[in-house]
Amino acid sequence: DAGVIQSPRHEVTEMGQEVTLRCKPISGHDYLFWYRQTMMRGLELLIYFNNNVPIDDSGMPEDRFSAKMPNASFSTLKIQPSEPRDSAVYFCASRTRGTGANVLTFGAGSRLTVL
Amino acid sequence: AQSVAQPEDQVNVAEGNPLTVKCTYSVSGNPYLFWYVQYPNRGLQFLLKYITGDNLVKGSYGFEAEFNKSQTSFHLKKPSALVSDSALYFCAVRRPTPPLVFGKGTRLSVIA
Repeated sequence: DAGVIQSPRHEVTEMGQEVTLRCKPISGHDYLFWYRQTMMRGLELLIYFNNNVPIDDSGMPEDRFSAKMPNASFSTLKIQPSEPRDSAVYFCASRTRGTGANVLTFGAGSRLTVL
Repeated sequence: AQSVAQPEDQVNVAEGNPLTVKCTYSVSGNPYLFWYVQYPNRGLQFLLKYITGDNLVKGSYGFEAEFNKSQTSFHLKKPSALVSDSALYFCAVRRPTPPLVFGKGTRLSVIA
C-alpha cells in the first residue's frame, strides 16, 4: 500500500491565482479529511468526507475554498483566488470504519506558498 | 465541543533521561485520545491511542501514555529519550464520531 498520496508536494504561486491540491486516499478507506497546518494556528480541520459525501465543512475559511470528492479514490481542495495568508501545509488523511477505525493515515502534505 | 491543550510549546530533555509531553482534554462523554508524531517535512504518524480499558497504553518506539480521567489528562511518556525522538508531537481527541481535534503541538528536543 502506497499510503495517502498528495500532489503537488510544493506549490509556489502568485496572489490571485487558482490553486488545486490533490489527494488519493488509501484504498478501502471511507473517510477523508483535509487539514491545514500553520505556525500560528497549528492543525485545523477544513472539511471531511464520508463515502465521498461532505459531512462537515465548517472549517473551510471562506468561499474561496472548495473541496470535492468525485469518487472513492480522489479528492481535490481548490483555492480561488489565492491570497498570501493561505500559505500553509495542507494535509490529506484517510481512515476506515473497520478495526483501524480510530487511526488516521496522513499524506506527506502539500506546502503552498502564495506570493 | 471537544478541545485539547498542550501547555508546552517546547520540551528539552537530555538523551537517556525520561521524557514527558503533557496533554489535557475537554470533551463531553467518553474521549478517544491519540498521540501523533511529525518529523520534518513529513505527515503525522500515529503513535498510540486510548479508547477504553487499561489506563496505561503502550505505543510505537517505546512511548506510552496514561489516561487520567479525574485530571482529564493524557500525558505522553518514555523512560529513556533518544536523539531520534526529536520531533513535533500532537495530542488529539474525539468522541466516538469524527472529527479528530488536534492540539497545537509540542516540539521535543533531545540533546545528546
